[in-house]
Amino acid sequence: AQSVTQLDSQVPVFEEAPVELRCNYSSSVSVYLFWYVQYPNQGLQLLLKYLSGSTLVKGINGFEAEFNKSQTSFHLRKPSVHISDTAEYFCAVSTGNAGNMLTFGGGTRLMVKP
Amino acid sequence: NAGVTQTPKFQVLKTGQSMTLQCAQDMNHNSMYWYRQDPGMGLRLIYYSASEGTTDKGEVPNGYNVSRLNKREFSLRLESAAPSQTSVYFCASRAQQGASGYTFGSGTRLTVV
Repeated sequence: AQSVTQLDSQVPVFEEAPVELRCNYSSSVSVYLFWYVQYPNQGLQLLLKYLSGSTLVKGINGFEAEFNKSQTSFHLRKPSVHISDTAEYFCAVSTGNAGNMLTFGGGTRLMVKP
Repeated sequence: NAGVTQTPKFQVLKTGQSMTLQCAQDMNHNSMYWYRQDPGMGLRLIYYSASEGTTDKGEVPNGYNVSRLNKREFSLRLESAAPSQTSVYFCASRAQQGASGYTFGSGTRLTVV
């Protein structure tokens, strides 16, 4: 079975500052990795995903993440955040096995302050 | 618009009441999932259906049942609601083998009093 740990439950940051949201996973098999964003009172929207190939993945809204197999990490970064990035961010993993269910981390609330 | 549709969006139940949450997708996806979201715990899988005619338990199935009515629809039933089932419920679907293509509904906010 796989598991996902998001190391920070809340990350406050000032507007235009860089941000990193941390995600570590554990799995006995190869995984696919995802970051989702949830704006207040809305569903989940895919930010980016790692399936294979280049370990640096670029997503929507200027976000990127780097897959590090040796560290079992998939940290999300943005060089300059905006107020509109205030949301909850979820890291998720799938093994591609039967069912292909996503296993989610507990979420990180990004709070961008003016 | 193509996607995953969940009904209702909001519901308040009394302890012991039953209800069914509906989910339908119009993308011809094979697999469908029900998750619940609770503060600090992310989303946890309740049940899933890898293909039409099959259903399997996820991480937190107790107190729930599901029906994969056809390829489009996957319903979640609470037979006797409990306050611990107060949560936001999300339905999702996925196209095929491999990991891409998950689409989430907008959620059902359920309160059990």
